[in-house]
Amino acid sequence: AAGVIQSPRHLIKEKRETATLKCYPIPRHDTVYWYQQGPGQDPQFLISFYEKMQSDKGSIPDRFSAQQFSDYHSELNMSSLELGDSALYFCASSLDYEQYFGPGTRLTVT
Amino acid sequence: KNEVEQSPQNLTAQEGEFITINCSYSVGISALHWLQQHPGGGIVSLFMLSSGKKKHGRLIATINIQEKHSSLHITASHPRDSAVYICAVLRPYSGGGADGLTFGKGTHLIIQP
Repeated sequence: AAGVIQSPRHLIKEKRETATLKCYPIPRHDTVYWYQQGPGQDPQFLISFYEKMQSDKGSIPDRFSAQQFSDYHSELNMSSLELGDSALYFCASSLDYEQYFGPGTRLTVT
Repeated sequence: KNEVEQSPQNLTAQEGEFITINCSYSVGISALHWLQQHPGGGIVSLFMLSSGKKKHGRLIATINIQEKHSSLHITASHPRDSAVYICAVLRPYSGGGADGLTFGKGTHLIIQP
């Protein structure tokens, strides 16, 4: 069965650079969620989209923005990167309440 | 106090043992997820529960909504079950259409051969 796809899987950026993470939900899933998991931390909810509209907002910094496109894929844009942004970024998709997670993008900021 | 509390934080057991991981939450929920995460790896959803009990292979999850408590059980544990098990709750629908999960700190499980 098709799963959630995230790209890239690994990304290395320098401080103050920008990064774009992509998430391709399971086919027919209309909802996408973004989570951030710092080293040794539990995941934190960032933002979600339902039917291409922003739905819920968590602890997403103002330097980050995201959107969901007409094909339901989503992109998380991160600007002015800081060392503390180094984390595993998960995307999840759902059609109802159950969320299915992607493999994550590991972002390292140097 | 965290809204989602798990116990134990760390658990080491011998292969074949029956494992129980507990999750208590202090907020109203519409559903609860049990997730599995291997070191450096992605997150796999094991169960989503809103009531009662679910079973999949050697895994069993139960939830008591009145007591705000859920348990994950592993029967006949095996070294490949070694992972972090995370309880995460979904708040009642707030009208936004897609609410993020609130996660517990996870239980680090090691099953020794």
